Amino acid sequence: DTGVSQDPRHKITKRGQNVTFRCDPISEHNRLYWYRQTLGQGPEFLTYFQNEAQLEKSRLLSDRFSAERPKGSFSTLEIQRTEQGDSAMYLCASSSQGARNEQFFGPGTRLTVL
Amino acid sequence: GESVGLHLPTLSVQEGDNSIINCAYSNSASDYFIWYKQESGKGPQFIIDIRSNMDKRQGQRVTVLLNKTVKHLSLQIAATQPGDSAVYFCAEGGGSQGNLIFGKGTKLSVKP
Repeated sequence: DTGVSQDPRHKITKRGQNVTFRCDPISEHNRLYWYRQTLGQGPEFLTYFQNEAQLEKSRLLSDRFSAERPKGSFSTLEIQRTEQGDSAMYLCASSSQGARNEQFFGPGTRLTVL
Repeated sequence: GESVGLHLPTLSVQEGDNSIINCAYSNSASDYFIWYKQESGKGPQFIIDIRSNMDKRQGQRVTVLLNKTVKHLSLQIAATQPGDSAVYFCAEGGGSQGNLIFGKGTKLSVKP
């Protein structure tokens, strides 16, 4: 257990529905990252927060995706009008600011879109 | 462009043998590299990292080697155990804000 928690662990939804995932990072970490991982692939970067500010978004983050970190602690990732191609593991990681970027990952939320 | 990849998708070793997992990267400006272990159904777990000003770093039973000349990274696991069975990813700390760029992964299987 790295100290990063994610909820839910699994989500099955029908195409077109909206889903929201939550990530609770390690409490003293000010950096929070969202990644997506499909079967057999490495995680792909989606977006990054430093405190409450969203500082970077990948091209993978279409306009159906939105992420927030309102108080600089937990974060949510929402996917609107889900598509079957959104099926993946959504991973959250956190790190502290510094020269090293040792990111601690949560267990992930596995999304299945039917 | 930036890319991180692995030479072998699968590796099978006998328990007690040493394992070597390789990784190639293409961004010569990258200055930070990390190895992660991912077990089925879990998130990636940090193993060891290395900065570009080093060519070797050792941890408990693991050693990471960095060859900047050929842009190659390797992870050596000594006395491999069944609990080492997992998918191993190398990652490159190449993003402007520290996001990691992962390769595809190598699946390590340890035979008893």
